[in-house]
Amino acid sequence: EVQLLESGGGLVQPGGSLRLSCAASGFTFRNYAMNWVRQAPGKGLEWVSDINGGGGSTNYADSVKGRFTISRDNSKNTLYLQMNSLRAEDTAVYYCAKDLSRDPRGMDYWGQGTLVTVSS
Amino acid sequence: NFMLTQPHSVSESPGKTVTISCTGSSGSIASNYVQWYQQRPGSAPTTVIYEDSQRPSGVPDRFSGSIGGSSNSASLTISGLKTEDEADYYCQSYDSSHRGVFGGGTKLTVL
Repeated sequence: EVQLLESGGGLVQPGGSLRLSCAASGFTFRNYAMNWVRQAPGKGLEWVSDINGGGGSTNYADSVKGRFTISRDNSKNTLYLQMNSLRAEDTAVYYCAKDLSRDPRGMDYWGQGTLVTVSS
Repeated sequence: NFMLTQPHSVSESPGKTVTISCTGSSGSIASNYVQWYQQRPGSAPTTVIYEDSQRPSGVPDRFSGSIGGSSNSASLTISGLKTEDEADYYCQSYDSSHRGVFGGGTKLTVL
């Protein structure tokens, strides 16, 4: 059974940093791209970033490019999102999602999400 | 920027069929696969259609997806509507720079 467990969310001040983690199990982690998707309170889903199975190729939404960094440790079956220079508009539930293939193609399994609140 | 446009809301009666559209703003929506996600209130999204028309195991065959036509659209069709289908539905694909794109979401009411 595929399981994705996000952690690391919390309250942070504007301009601060936070690192999210997503522990994966139930599939061969290195064989699949992974994604971060967020949802601001009362809003729709927003794609944030993805990374291929090997970790050598990444993509970012314009809204986070230059501030967020996606990475993965295939030896630990864990996905990360380093978030710097956080803004109030980054407040959202952040979901990690497993991709359909080694290169990004679409998402098939989702975690339960972790809430990030950016506020002074 | 490439965008996907969905109707804000749709409603239909139990047992009926509803179709939700997802229209690409430019290019061909067929250039990349389209996925559909269901999100019930207070829950994480789940995948109901991937690669335009494929159903994950466990998703009933009342759910179907299609692509094409002159409208540059993808569609999600749910037949034999049940009250448990009431949820928000999002389409998703990629732009020409391989960045993910979501539609704005459609609230389905089954009344």
